[in-house]
Amino acid sequence: DIVMTQTPLSSPVTLGQPASISCRSSQSLVHSDGNTYLSWLQQRPGQPPRLLIYKISNRFSGVPDRFSGSGAGTDFTLKISRVEAEDVGVYYCTQATQWGTFGPGTKVDIK
Amino acid sequence: QLQLQESGPGLVKPSETLSLTCTVSGGSISSSSYYWGWIRQPPGKGLEWIGSIYYSGSTYYNPSLKSRVTISVDTSKNQFSLKLSSVTAADTAVYYCARRSSIAVDHWGQGTLVTVSS
Repeated sequence: DIVMTQTPLSSPVTLGQPASISCRSSQSLVHSDGNTYLSWLQQRPGQPPRLLIYKISNRFSGVPDRFSGSGAGTDFTLKISRVEAEDVGVYYCTQATQWGTFGPGTKVDIK
Repeated sequence: QLQLQESGPGLVKPSETLSLTCTVSGGSISSSSYYWGWIRQPPGKGLEWIGSIYYSGSTYYNPSLKSRVTISVDTSKNQFSLKLSSVTAADTAVYYCARRSSIAVDHWGQGTLVTVSS
């Protein structure tokens, strides 16, 4: 299985300031079809997860442009350009290159 | 607008079988573009894939749960179901049904808490 790790596991941020989360996979996420199936999910308190970013850097429908994704191979990053109160929650990276596994999650809250 | 809704008992006794159903509305479960799956989240913990099914009936199960899991699909009702046998307290979790497209898991149900307790 591909193991996903995330850092940090907790990120207190100031409203209006940027936030960044790193995700690393135990092996390359480049699929045989040439795509890299790395996604980011947001889970607000008491809510199901929702898809934010797919294939490294593509924002899903309705996702604000303050969210962006980058990376390649085994190292990926989610950035929030200016954190808003509604961004509080847990963020998961997840891969679908080899079936599917999730990272442990990074909790983002307000300082 | 696609919606997924889990249903089933919220309390299951140890050693018994957990059974949940996901009803899909706003879209067809028979679409060739999607897999339909189950993911769980123990209280205060992270996410774990249980398995998934294609409308044709082909399945994939998490190897760590494979011996206890059965996922089935009923295209006539636009539903798919999960059975997890021989449950223990470690199976207490919020169970989500979800749709997996070619890009990612893009739609989730609201989730249902299943507690394993006598």
